[in-house]
Amino acid sequence: AAGVIQSPRHLIKEKRETATLKCYPIPRHDTVYWYQQGPGQDPQFLISFYEKMQSDKGSIPDRFSAQQFSDYHSELNMSSLELGDSALYFCASSPPGRGLRRETQYFGPGTRLLVL
Amino acid sequence: KQEVTQIPAALSVPEGENLVLNCSFTDSAIYNLQWFRQDPGKGLTSLLLIQSSQREQTSGRLNASLDKSSGRSTLYIAASQPGDSATYLCGSGGSNYKLTFGKGTLLTVNP
Repeated sequence: AAGVIQSPRHLIKEKRETATLKCYPIPRHDTVYWYQQGPGQDPQFLISFYEKMQSDKGSIPDRFSAQQFSDYHSELNMSSLELGDSALYFCASSPPGRGLRRETQYFGPGTRLLVL
Repeated sequence: KQEVTQIPAALSVPEGENLVLNCSFTDSAIYNLQWFRQDPGKGLTSLLLIQSSQREQTSGRLNASLDKSSGRSTLYIAASQPGDSATYLCGSGGSNYKLTFGKGTLLTVNP
């Protein structure tokens, strides 16, 4: 079965550079979530989109922005990178409808970002 | 603000043992509770989701329960196997189903 695709899988950047992370949800999923997992930490919710509109916002720095496109893929743009942005960034998607399937989030493999 | 706690932080058991992982949350107004497995350096694999109106869900050797009133969920693993070794995370689903995670339980099943 198709899974969530994230690219790139690994990214190395210098401080103050910019980075763009991409997420391709499972086909026909309309909701995308972004999470950040620092070293040894639990994943923290950043932002989510439903039907191409932002649906919720968590602890996302102002230096970060994100959007969901017409084909439902999403991009997380990160500017003025700091050492503390080094983390594993997960994207998750969920399908339309109701009930258990609608609420279940399916996670991608993550993008490991290292800021030097 | 929702806070999720998982106990124990680490657990080591011999193969074949039944075990229970615990998850507690401070705000009982949750939409759901989802259990995940995470292998080192990998993504999260969804194991079970319990909606707020449900008490438990089962999948194979896994059984998850939810008691909203006491702010607790448990994940029961029967007849543990070395392949079950991983970090287990619970996430409480809030508004718009965004998840608040605990720090996880690192499970090691010894052959």
